[in-house]
Amino acid sequence: EAQVTQNPRYLITVTGKKLTVTCSQNMNHEYMSWYRQDPGLGLRQIYYSMNVEVTDKGDVPEGYKVSRKEKRNFPLILESPSPNQTSLYFCASSLWPDRGDGYTFGSGTRLTVV
Amino acid sequence: ILNVEQSPQSLHVQEGDSTNFTCSFPSSNFYALHWYRWETAKSPEALFVMTLNGDEKKKGRISATLNTKEGYSYLYIKGSQPEDSATYLCASYGGATNKLIFGTGTLLAVQP
Repeated sequence: EAQVTQNPRYLITVTGKKLTVTCSQNMNHEYMSWYRQDPGLGLRQIYYSMNVEVTDKGDVPEGYKVSRKEKRNFPLILESPSPNQTSLYFCASSLWPDRGDGYTFGSGTRLTVV
Repeated sequence: ILNVEQSPQSLHVQEGDSTNFTCSFPSSNFYALHWYRWETAKSPEALFVMTLNGDEKKKGRISATLNTKEGYSYLYIKGSQPEDSATYLCASYGGATNKLIFGTGTLLAVQP
């Protein structure tokens, strides 16, 4: 089954404790992206990647890191989480979003930083 | 228009009503316009991706149109059903940014 697998689904952590949210897709998609969803603000892009070893900042990259060492994986790293990073996070992938291919989204990660 | 804007913010209709939503987006350096359906406690799912001015797409009772010159798209739902209740997101992909920028969505509630 074609899918984007995101883990964990739920995570509660403490301020400053490094964490990684994993994202893996099995569709050989070039483009992968991380978004956060906050009430009233819509989906805001954190980072995106157009191919292996090619990553770029989205609109809200502060406090996050990503890597794209393999085509299928695009982990999101919070080196020192803070309470303002409490949010719902989505990973998404697409073959080419500018040429008629929609995103496939992961199931989401609800992160709480206390 | 610098951002992707959707209206209305929310909509309550009766079962059987037809309805439509609007998405406005930057018309310069336009590449693609996406529509997604997002049910509560699930992930957004792609409905349509349109790239050409004048594009019209249809999936069952849902259809969408695109005007790239003036920077807007309409999503239509004919004969709304309770299972159509969801947030409908549009997103614009612009060549200047290589980013897919989302609007804040239209929340549709269909009363039986």
